[in-house]
Amino acid sequence: GAGVSQTPSNKVTEKGKYVELRCDPISGHTALYWYRQSLGQGPEFLIYFQGTGAADDSGLPNDRFFAVRPEGSVSTLKIQRTERGDSAVYLCASSKAGQIQETQYFGPGTRLLVL
Amino acid sequence: AQSVSQHNHHVILSEAASLELGCNYSYGGTVNLFWYVQYPGQHLQLLLKYFSGDPLVKGIKGFEAEFIKSKFSFNLRKPSVQWSDTAEYFCAVNSLGAGSYQLTFGKGTKLSVIP
Repeated sequence: GAGVSQTPSNKVTEKGKYVELRCDPISGHTALYWYRQSLGQGPEFLIYFQGTGAADDSGLPNDRFFAVRPEGSVSTLKIQRTERGDSAVYLCASSKAGQIQETQYFGPGTRLLVL
Repeated sequence: AQSVSQHNHHVILSEAASLELGCNYSYGGTVNLFWYVQYPGQHLQLLLKYFSGDPLVKGIKGFEAEFIKSKFSFNLRKPSVQWSDTAEYFCAVNSLGAGSYQLTFGKGTKLSVIP
């Protein structure tokens, strides 16, 4: 079946601009996660959705970052006033019901470059 | 806060050599442990996971890992590597409690297998 998909695959923007990154989870998965992977690092947690609500946003680095999942399926990560330090690969993952032992299935990521 | 250490940044092996990749975590409570792999040009995918029971866990493609609670370790092993095992390997952990859905990843170990 279809896996997690993310668009765009690459995004180049200028410092100060606004960007939106989209994630389509596996159909039927109620849990959705965003992670950020900087060069030479492992993925770092940003936010977790159970259904439509953000159950844990403790990983968002500051208030320039915001994410939504209005219908409990597709999610959008929004970054305002982008900075060069925001350059990274943004990964989305989903799992069936959000139980902590469940496998999180990852998408291919969006590579964001802020010039 | 929990953390994960992967001892080797880059490992180079010849085909048929045995593999052991180290992973140590810092958290004193109940943990779930995961190994993910990222093949060149592909997304992260699960190799194996441990959450209870037999501490020796078998995964896909002949990989296994052993959970040693007293050493806070979850090392990944394969008796005979193939060129197709060339990839980056990430150890990850989550645990019961606040933020339990978050996966905390190590920095990854890049494995290069020489034919």
